[in-house]
Amino acid sequence: KAGVTQTPRYLIKTRGQQVTLSCSPISGHRSVSWYQQTPGQGLQFLFEYFSETQRNKGNFPGRFSGRQFSNSRSEMNVSTLELGDSALYLCASSLGQPSSGANVLTFGAGSRLTVL
Amino acid sequence: GEDVEQSLFLSVREGDSSVINCTYTDSSSTYLYWYKQEPGAGLQLLTYIFSNMDMKQDQRLTVLLNKKDKHLSLRIADTQTGDSAIYFCAGATSGGYNKLIFGAGTRLAVHP
Repeated sequence: KAGVTQTPRYLIKTRGQQVTLSCSPISGHRSVSWYQQTPGQGLQFLFEYFSETQRNKGNFPGRFSGRQFSNSRSEMNVSTLELGDSALYLCASSLGQPSSGANVLTFGAGSRLTVL
Repeated sequence: GEDVEQSLFLSVREGDSSVINCTYTDSSSTYLYWYKQEPGAGLQLLTYIFSNMDMKQDQRLTVLLNKKDKHLSLRIADTQTGDSAIYFCAGATSGGYNKLIFGAGTRLAVHP
């Protein structure tokens, strides 16, 4: 069973540009969550999508947005990039609705964004 | 909101047991997780515990939960050099079960 696939793995942008990151979840998983990881702030929740709808949102400015397609693949977009947006962006997929037990998140390897 | 705290660094000798500690503030946390991150990689789920449990054992891993003190620990028996990594504890509430709140991570260094 293929894992969570994130593309691109590495990218470099300059301030003011915008970027789109892609996440393909595990087959059958309907929920996709995005996290930002930086040395200063650690791992922070960005948002979660389930069945093409944003279900949860973290405390990030409106420059950060996302969407989910009917095949559960998700993209996140950051507009007007700032130096502080340099981070590892992690995507996680899950079934989304636990019947019993924990709703286990499986993470991808991440997309490392560097803003110059 | 939820806050999760961990000690930042732990050094152990190969073959010894490692104990990584975590405290959390939100008593409504339903599930508590331990993730492992190796350099250049994403997060790997190690184990999790439901809030109504006190202990969970999974091969070399033992999770202890003290709900009264809101304290969670991960014990790794017979620690190996391959266990060197950053370990994160995370909590999730029943309403936001995909919204994990992570601690800052504990860097485990295993030396011969």
